[in-house]
Amino acid sequence: DAKTTQPNSMESNEEEPVHLPCNHSTISGTDYIHWYRQLPSQGPEYVIHGLTSNVNNRMASLAIAEDRKSSTLILHRATLRDAAVYYCILRGGLANFGNEKLTFGTGTRLTIIP
Amino acid sequence: NAGVTQTPKFQVLKTGQSMTLQCAQDMNHNSMYWYRQDPGMGLRLIYYSASEGTTDKGEVPNGYNVSRLNKREFSLRLESAAPSQTSVYFCASKGGFTGEAFFGQGTRLTVV
Repeated sequence: DAKTTQPNSMESNEEEPVHLPCNHSTISGTDYIHWYRQLPSQGPEYVIHGLTSNVNNRMASLAIAEDRKSSTLILHRATLRDAAVYYCILRGGLANFGNEKLTFGTGTRLTIIP
Repeated sequence: NAGVTQTPKFQVLKTGQSMTLQCAQDMNHNSMYWYRQDPGMGLRLIYYSASEGTTDKGEVPNGYNVSRLNKREFSLRLESAAPSQTSVYFCASKGGFTGEAFFGQGTRLTVV
């Protein structure tokens, strides 16, 4: 599977936008970009995913670079509840079709400053 | 919907004891997973099952066995627990190749 690179940690002020970057320079044309987050003392939860176009949902927005080698998860107005570890992973790809192995890196620990 | 249910939520074992962690999902998902998470660390894949009757090793399978009992249930067994297996264990299930994964609330295991 293609690898992703994320900063270990980030801080942001409450009620301000947060941009969480992810690099995936070896992404294949059919890989989907998925984001999960893990709140303290909980299991991870799905946030958003996309292939080529930018995506929005009630939790966040996903901005995908034109060459798809990087993406950014955008929290439009961070709250204290958004403090979590955010994981960027790649899923899919014709070369991996049928391979259900699902691994997570170490993610980005986001701290929200009141 | 219950989603993914793990039992027990907490467990303390003595070194050398055995136990089975249970996981069940009610979403009719084909794929199921077991992860461990040590304090301050990321998730590490222990074993996974792409469908009923199949299991595959993940990143850290040593010291563990798994059983995909049926489509709903995927259990993780520690035959002889060691202090190094003290961790939080998460079970997950996923529907579809690019579908989202759903996680249980975790089992906090301490081996003394």
